[in-house]
Amino acid sequence: KAGVTQTPRYLIKTRGQQVTLSCSPISGHRSVSWYQQTPGQGLQFLFEYFSETQRNKGNFPGRFSGRQFSNSRSEMNVSTLELGDSALYLCASQLGTGENTEAFFGQGTRLTVV
Amino acid sequence: AQSVTQPDIHITVSEGASLELRCNYSYGATPYLFWYVQSPGQGLQLLLKYFSGDTLVQGIKGFEAEFKRSQSSFNLRKPSVHWSDAAEYFCAVGVSGTYKYIFGTGTRLKVLA
Repeated sequence: KAGVTQTPRYLIKTRGQQVTLSCSPISGHRSVSWYQQTPGQGLQFLFEYFSETQRNKGNFPGRFSGRQFSNSRSEMNVSTLELGDSALYLCASQLGTGENTEAFFGQGTRLTVV
Repeated sequence: AQSVTQPDIHITVSEGASLELRCNYSYGATPYLFWYVQSPGQGLQLLLKYFSGDTLVQGIKGFEAEFKRSQSSFNLRKPSVHWSDAAEYFCAVGVSGTYKYIFGTGTRLKVLA
């Protein structure tokens, strides 16, 4: 069974630009969550999507947004990039129904803002 | 507020020695608890999880963890460490009613040959 696929693996962007990251969850999983990982702040929850709806949101500015498609694939977008947005962005795939279940993570997208 | 604390930022052990990584959580209800491992530049791999039942849980790669409600702890153990275990380890709690995780700050493990 294929795992969680994130594309691209690496990105370099300039301040002020926008970026879109993609995540394909495990087949049959309908919940996709996004996390930002930085050396200073650690792993922080961005948002979670289920059936194309955002169910939960972390404490990030509105420049961070996401969406989910009918096939459960998800994208996250960061607009007006800042240097501090440089991070590893991780996508997590879960079944999405019932009580909290284990999350399976992708390899991440390493975003560097210059 | 819900939180997870991993008191040790770095731990160094010799290959073949035993290992214990500490994790303390602050959570009002029965927690869903997880341990993940991350190699440099990689994603997170689930080592083990605790939802309910037996407080000693077995995971992959020879790891185990014990849930102690009275101490609000979920420490990870391995009887004999291998050089390939060098990585960063994260403890996490799943927030009930959501699919959100709260992670600890991680413990970086170094293994001496």
